[in-house]
Amino acid sequence: GNSVTQMEGPVTLSEEAFLTINCTYTATGYPSLFWYVQYPGEGLQLLLKATKADDKGSNKGFEATYRKETTSFHLEKGSVQVSDSAVYFCALITSGGSYIPTFGRGTSLIVHP
Amino acid sequence: GAGVSQSPSNKVTEKGKDVELRCDPISGHTALYWYRQSLGQGLEFLIYFQGNSAPDKSGLPSDRFSAERTGGSVSTLTIQRTQQEDSAVYLCASSSRGYEQYFGPGTRLTVT
Repeated sequence: GNSVTQMEGPVTLSEEAFLTINCTYTATGYPSLFWYVQYPGEGLQLLLKATKADDKGSNKGFEATYRKETTSFHLEKGSVQVSDSAVYFCALITSGGSYIPTFGRGTSLIVHP
Repeated sequence: GAGVSQSPSNKVTEKGKDVELRCDPISGHTALYWYRQSLGQGLEFLIYFQGNSAPDKSGLPSDRFSAERTGGSVSTLTIQRTQQEDSAVYLCASSSRGYEQYFGPGTRLTVT
């Protein structure tokens, strides 16, 4: 079956620090990979995605590269802001299957001024 | 355009009562998903509708949970004889191609 493993949180950073949130996966079939963000009191929003190996997804200063050789999709941002404080979910979906995504458990990010 | 909407935003009910949660997906999206998110936890898949196909109910935790989708659009999640452990945020998502998902704001259910 499919699985997604994210680093445990919370991740606590000062404003303008560099962010990495690790995500690794196992999948039967060829997955598409996603990062979603959930701000307090809201539903999840798609942050970025990548559909094939070596693709880089990017949005709002966040980036993640689909690494097939290491089965990873780590989220990075060069300079975080207080407004980036949220929970981040890594997810995958495999084509040809049931299209039910597999989500990681989420990583809480807290950014202090 | 309009996103996914859910109602009510909050629901407080007594143990043993039935509740209905509603989801209005993005117009034209053929796929609809229900998830449960308990406090501080990740997402628990409940049920998946795709077009006119039979729904995938593999995530429903017990036979007290059921869902329907009328006319390929609006969906209702029903929880019968609610228990305290049903307290959670229930999220609905829709998708046009079965890939990226668009989530609603959720319904926070509290069972007292």
